[in-house]
Amino acid sequence: RKEVEQDPGPFNVPEGATVAFNCTYSNSASQSFFWYRQDCRKEPKLLMSVYSSGNEDGRFTAQLNRASQYISLLIRDSKLSDSATYLCVVNTNTGNQFYFGTGTSLTVIP
Amino acid sequence: DVKVTQSSRYLVKRTGEKVFLECVQDMDHENMFWYRQDPGLGLRLIYFSYDVKMKEKGDIPEGYSVSREKKERFSLILESASTNQTSMYLCASSFTRAAETQYFGPGTRLLVL
Repeated sequence: RKEVEQDPGPFNVPEGATVAFNCTYSNSASQSFFWYRQDCRKEPKLLMSVYSSGNEDGRFTAQLNRASQYISLLIRDSKLSDSATYLCVVNTNTGNQFYFGTGTSLTVIP
Repeated sequence: DVKVTQSSRYLVKRTGEKVFLECVQDMDHENMFWYRQDPGLGLRLIYFSYDVKMKEKGDIPEGYSVSREKKERFSLILESASTNQTSMYLCASSFTRAAETQYFGPGTRLLVL
């Protein structure tokens, strides 16, 4: 069983739409959670960390559900520049391993 | 700004060649990582290091070795390159042993013929 699972998509949405991605993780000892963004042929970059109480950064909202072992990312008012692959990342804090999902592809259409 | 650099963006090698991929970070991070990324498989950890001369195997260490002689530099070595090692290789670093954010280099696209 994979440590982290994501729906690969692709998600194709019109500009201005709201889109949500979910990610599940298998290790209940996981302590740190992140969403990374990866543009085509570029390296992953941190989009936001995910905190237990949920957190928001502009149009982006991240949520954590420990009981069900999933995290989510909500993007409101999608922009063309949001087109990218979004990676869910989990770390247990017991070691130095970060576990990456395979990514969810988003294309925002004019 | 954190800067992680990798020695090559693109590399073409022949089967059986020894390949060195270099990674340097300038933020005094303790932790450094090597991943490979393949379509449909995501990022997979090859090796990581949390201190100079320390290394630990990740999920797919076979066919690879690493070297960390200085804190800022982490090298990935393919002892005898094979075609199934054609991939995108990403180096990353992070600060402290806690689960801090990882910062990635731009990646090296390796083609083994």
